[in-house]
Amino acid sequence: DIQMTQSPSTLSAFIGGRVTITCRASENINTSLAWYQQKGGQAPNLLISRASILETGVPSTFRGSGSGTEFALTISSLQPEDFATYYCQHYNSYSGTFGPGTKVEFK
Amino acid sequence: EEQLVQSGAEVKKPGESLKISCKGSGYTFSDNWIGWVRQRPGKGLEWMGIIWPGDSDARYSPSFQGQVIFSVDTSGSTAFLQWTSLEASDTALYYCARRKKIPGRDAYDIWGQGTMVTVSS
Repeated sequence: DIQMTQSPSTLSAFIGGRVTITCRASENINTSLAWYQQKGGQAPNLLISRASILETGVPSTFRGSGSGTEFALTISSLQPEDFATYYCQHYNSYSGTFGPGTKVEFK
Repeated sequence: EEQLVQSGAEVKKPGESLKISCKGSGYTFSDNWIGWVRQRPGKGLEWMGIIWPGDSDARYSPSFQGQVIFSVDTSGSTAFLQWTSLEASDTALYYCARRKKIPGRDAYDIWGQGTMVTVSS
């Protein structure tokens, strides 16, 4: 089974700040990587698929990058509504393994 | 509006059986895989597996193989997640989610609101 890791587990930042979350796969997954945002009490929301393609309606302040085993989610200017937990996910026909999550908190 | 609506919260005793549902609307239900995701209280997301409504082809995460059963009723555009004997460790919020059918971008774009399952004696 492919394992997914994320770092950091928690991140503190100011509004307007820039943050980067890293996701690593235990094997090459090419670009089969998605990013989700989850706010308290809500279902996850798909932000990015194929490692770097923004879903419709996602602000351009979000950017996904990477391929193979190393990926990153960057938020270029944190807004109040961006404080949430972010998960990466490897997806294919037989897997949907999530990373453990990164909580972005207000500093 | 494309959406998935899940059945309501459940409180069960250990050893009891349970079947929760996930009804799709606003799109052709049989055109997309449906996945199931567990989230224990205060914890992260765990992918349980997926099912293809067209022929009930189900693929389970090794962690959940033999522990749960996926099924569908395509005429009712509904997917089901079933336990035959619940344990306290099954206490969690369970989400269903639609997998997109765009090759390479087939992550999970529509999510149900979640069904809370509490197992306690």
